[in-house]
Amino acid sequence: LAKTTQPISMDSYEGQEVNITCSHNNIATNDYITWYQQFPSQGPRFIIQGYKTKVTNEVASLFIPADRKSSTLSLPRVSLSDTAVYYCLVGDRNNFNKFYFGSGTKLNVKP
Amino acid sequence: DAGITQSPRHKVTETGTPVTLRCHQTENHRYMYWYRQDPGHGLRLIHYSYGVKDTDKGEVSDGYSVSRSKTEDFLLTLESATSSQTSVYFCAISDPVASVTQYFGPGTRLLVL
Repeated sequence: LAKTTQPISMDSYEGQEVNITCSHNNIATNDYITWYQQFPSQGPRFIIQGYKTKVTNEVASLFIPADRKSSTLSLPRVSLSDTAVYYCLVGDRNNFNKFYFGSGTKLNVKP
Repeated sequence: DAGITQSPRHKVTETGTPVTLRCHQTENHRYMYWYRQDPGHGLRLIHYSYGVKDTDKGEVSDGYSVSRSKTEDFLLTLESATSSQTSVYFCAISDPVASVTQYFGPGTRLLVL
């Protein structure tokens, strides 16, 4: 299982941009980087996925450097409702049984 | 949201009793998974299925069994529940043809006394 390292927690204020970095030194050639968001008492929810460079959707951006040993999830102008745990996962997206969730990053957005 | 339901949503049981949790999907996805989540931990894979009657073990399979007799249903059984199996259980589905990600159910909160 390709393991990842993320900060345990982060604090931010409403309206700020939040960047959460994930280290994945052992990423394999076929591996994609996927981020999930989990609210209390709910299952994780897919946010974004990428292989290299930059990916953007309506919710977030994902930045991946050329060596792919790390990635950064960027949340623009967070609100209180973005308070959640964010998981970075690395793996072959055809083999989710090989994904390792880890403890995630608890993002606390303050007013 | 993907059509995934889990039942029951909450259950309290006693040590030594059998427990079965059900995951039902309406997406016709090939793969189904059972995870458990404990305080301070991410999700850990218990078992998964890659088709009807095709299952395999995950990271923490001891004490659990699964069955998949239909595409839409994936059952998780605790043959003899123990207090260490108190947890929140999540079901997930995926299909590499249909989507690049997994979709998770709402979870089942299990308390073993």
